[in-house]
Amino acid sequence: ETGVTQTPRHLVMGMTNKKSLKCEQHLGHNAMYWYKQSAKKPLELMFVYSLEERVENNSVPSRFSPECPNSSHLFLHLHTLQPEDSALYLCASSQDRRGASSTDTQYFGPGTRLTVL
Amino acid sequence: EDKVVQSPLSLVVHEGDTVTLNCSYEVTNFRSLLWYKQEKKAPTFLFMLTSSGIEKKSGRLSSILDKKELSSILNITATQTGDSAIYLCAVGVGNNRKLIWGLGTSLAVNP
Repeated sequence: ETGVTQTPRHLVMGMTNKKSLKCEQHLGHNAMYWYKQSAKKPLELMFVYSLEERVENNSVPSRFSPECPNSSHLFLHLHTLQPEDSALYLCASSQDRRGASSTDTQYFGPGTRLTVL
Repeated sequence: EDKVVQSPLSLVVHEGDTVTLNCSYEVTNFRSLLWYKQEKKAPTFLFMLTSSGIEKKSGRLSSILDKKELSSILNITATQTGDSAIYLCAVGVGNNRKLIWGLGTSLAVNP
């Protein structure tokens, strides 16, 4: 596997279900991101982890819970979601060099298309 | 509030045409501007620009940043159907890792 992988690629869940999205990066990066992409909206940053420490949490509802056990893996645990949470969830990674512009180049996975019924 | 605006929002051209996509920004503490291409799922990285007036080129694609005008353009020459995609612009700001994203330009290249 190369680059950034995400599983599952598609997920349909009811509002009472609990599920998890998985992301793995094979690029040797030290920062990982979760984004939400909805129609007619810019990419929304949800969480950032750098060196396995959560460094940003952009007012995301608590029904989304991230986990970063090591620098290569990132999870997004989902619980009691709402229909408006249906979207494409993208994971990305980058090499964090503390404010250097080179940090900005993020590499994305293929995303998980989530539908909440 | 930081923002990135892309224009046009959508564009339909014929194969062989040349297209110019625009990205303008209003941000505090600009650090970089990035272009991505999104076909079906994953946005793929095209260019990162940090210095004004220096063109970056990759095959038929090129991009340049104008810090005075707070904008960038992405040019695609001799378009092909495979260029059909959404082109996203993002701006890195400050000392954090956050990128401010535009809505994207949806490009359709017809044979």
